[in-house]
Amino acid sequence: GQQLNQSPQSMFIQEGEDVSMNCTSSSIFNTWLWYKQEPGEGPVLLIALYKAGELTSNGRLTAQFGITRKDSFLNISASIPSDVGIYFCAVLNYGGSQGNLIFGKGTKLSVKP
Amino acid sequence: NAGVTQTPKFRVLKTGQSMTLLCAQDMNHEYMYWYRQDPGMGLRLIHYSVGEGTTAKGEVPDGYNVSRLKKQNFLLGLESAAPSQTSVYFCASSFRGQGTNGYTFGSGTRLTVV
Repeated sequence: GQQLNQSPQSMFIQEGEDVSMNCTSSSIFNTWLWYKQEPGEGPVLLIALYKAGELTSNGRLTAQFGITRKDSFLNISASIPSDVGIYFCAVLNYGGSQGNLIFGKGTKLSVKP
Repeated sequence: NAGVTQTPKFRVLKTGQSMTLLCAQDMNHEYMYWYRQDPGMGLRLIHYSVGEGTTAKGEVPDGYNVSRLKKQNFLLGLESAAPSQTSVYFCASSFRGQGTNGYTFGSGTRLTVV
């Protein structure tokens, strides 16, 4: 099946540092999404990207939809302890069920105060 | 505003036992999904439904069955639980044609099969 390659798998950073993670695919997708999952909870949508080359911000988070439509990155600036969690990229897969999302394996972020 | 509610939150089963996980949404969403999450594997789609009375297989459907008798409920059944089904199960829902806005997820059911 189609796969998303998300890296890094995990990150241990100091509070105040910037974070960058990315997601790549061998196939073209027209919608890229970034989710955050906190311990004991389900994923929550952070940013949705619909247009190749698009750069979208949500507070300290910035995500870009790659121009080739095969990749995306998420940056977090000036990290704080509540940024801890697992960040997933996801793409909308029209080849499967309508509206079916394919998820990357996640980047686990740990922030040291 | 309940959103997506999953019950139970935790369960321990013995191998061979059966159980049903319940997902309920109060947002009038047409589409509902069941995912499982395993360490290092991300979220994998088990089954989904695009409307009341319809279900379809996802990426990892073996060992599971589902039913969508009412629009607001999506049930996931394990007929004969196996240790390989130890996982965290997430239900999600979305409006038809609004998958681009992402899904609303429940908070998960942690299942252990011993």
